Amino acid sequence: NAGVMQNPRHLVRRRGQEARLRCSPMKGHSHVYWYRQLPEEGLKFMVYLQKENIIDESGMPKERFSAEFPKEGPSILRIQQVVRGDSAAYFCASSPRSAEGPQQTQYFGPGTRLLVL
Amino acid sequence: GENVEQHPSTLSVQEGDSAVIKCTYSDSASNYFPWYKQELGKGPQLIIDIRSNVGEKKDQRIAVTLNKTAKHFSLHITETQPEDSAVYFCAASINSGYALNFGKGTSLLVTP
Repeated sequence: NAGVMQNPRHLVRRRGQEARLRCSPMKGHSHVYWYRQLPEEGLKFMVYLQKENIIDESGMPKERFSAEFPKEGPSILRIQQVVRGDSAAYFCASSPRSAEGPQQTQYFGPGTRLLVL
Repeated sequence: GENVEQHPSTLSVQEGDSAVIKCTYSDSASNYFPWYKQELGKGPQLIIDIRSNVGEKKDQRIAVTLNKTAKHFSLHITETQPEDSAVYFCAASINSGYALNFGKGTSLLVTP
């Protein structure tokens, strides 16, 4: 039973380019979360999505960042016109759904380390 | 915004000793408190969690306690082993929802 998968694991971009980070949740999970981790810091919540729906994007920067979780395929975190300050590890997590609704337990992927030159 | 404070930032213990990591939170609506272990270059791995209707939970060498009145919770690792060396993060749910607020982490080193 594969865990949360993220690719690429490492991504290098020059300032002004676009970065696309992909996340495939665990099998049977329909809720996806994105977090950003700066060096020696805790994880910061960015966005929570269900299939074809953004539920909570209160942690997303207002500009250049967007996320989607289409009906088919992985969730995508997109960063346009990257700047050096975007360099960080980006983690995706997924959670299952129970009869009572979404569960709070989140399982994390290995992350994508983004380096902006 | 709401914060989760975690202490200590670094902790060194000898193999076989116990390790305790403490966290405080400010959001009185938080109702879910997981702990994660992160090894170098890897994603956080859930090791134990507790919900607000429970005061204590144990899983083999790991235990977590929660004091909702004081808004603090702690991780206890007994009989530590070198493979317990990692960064440990506490987290609290934002409001009673699904996103998590994380502490800044505790780097635990267990020396043989």
